[in-house]
Amino acid sequence: GAVVSQHPSRVICKSGTSVKIECRSLDFQATTMFWYRQFPKQSLMLMATSNEGSKATYEQGVEKDKFLINHASLTLSTLTVTSAHPEDSSFYICSASRQLIDEQYFGPGTRLTVT
Amino acid sequence: AQSVTQLGSHVSVSEGALVLLRCNYSSSVPPYLFWYVQYPNQGLQLLLKYTSAATLVKGINGFEAEFKKSETSFHLTKPSAHMSDEAEYFCAVSEEAAGNKLTFGGGTRVLVKP
Repeated sequence: GAVVSQHPSRVICKSGTSVKIECRSLDFQATTMFWYRQFPKQSLMLMATSNEGSKATYEQGVEKDKFLINHASLTLSTLTVTSAHPEDSSFYICSASRQLIDEQYFGPGTRLTVT
Repeated sequence: AQSVTQLGSHVSVSEGALVLLRCNYSSSVPPYLFWYVQYPNQGLQLLLKYTSAATLVKGINGFEAEFKKSETSFHLTKPSAHMSDEAEYFCAVSEEAAGNKLTFGGGTRVLVKP
């Protein structure tokens, strides 16, 4: 149980375009979902926290107009990178939590390359 | 504010030898502590977690970690390394609840020599 999927696993897009990444909790309802980014050979940095039906809470330094997060249902959150640039190339990982007393369950990640 | 420091970005061990990965944290409230493993181009897999119960926590794949409040440490050990243990390991802390946002350490890459 507690499986989280991400789609796509890899995406290549041209500079200036937008790309959407989906995060789904497959066998549980996720009250909270988190989005992290990971640059090569670096650790994970939290970008934002989203609760179903509410606006996402962004970490300091993360542009909310550039990284649009939608958590429309208890099983789906999406991250849209708008007007992507090469510096946005990274590994994006989502996680989901059933409730605060429960741990986070991580998705397999999405590798974004902006050319 | 919470933070995590992992000493040593790379650790090399011989197959069959002890694996020791160090993690120190800072937290203004009682922490929840986690160790995750990440294989190349994959997400994170939980090895074990400390949630204020027993200070010695046993996890999957033979790993265990001990919470030492006086040292603000949560070091990860495995008595005998296996080739399959080659991966990146992350220590993480959350405050107030296990499902709250995580702060990760810088990670330690483990290399196992045959």
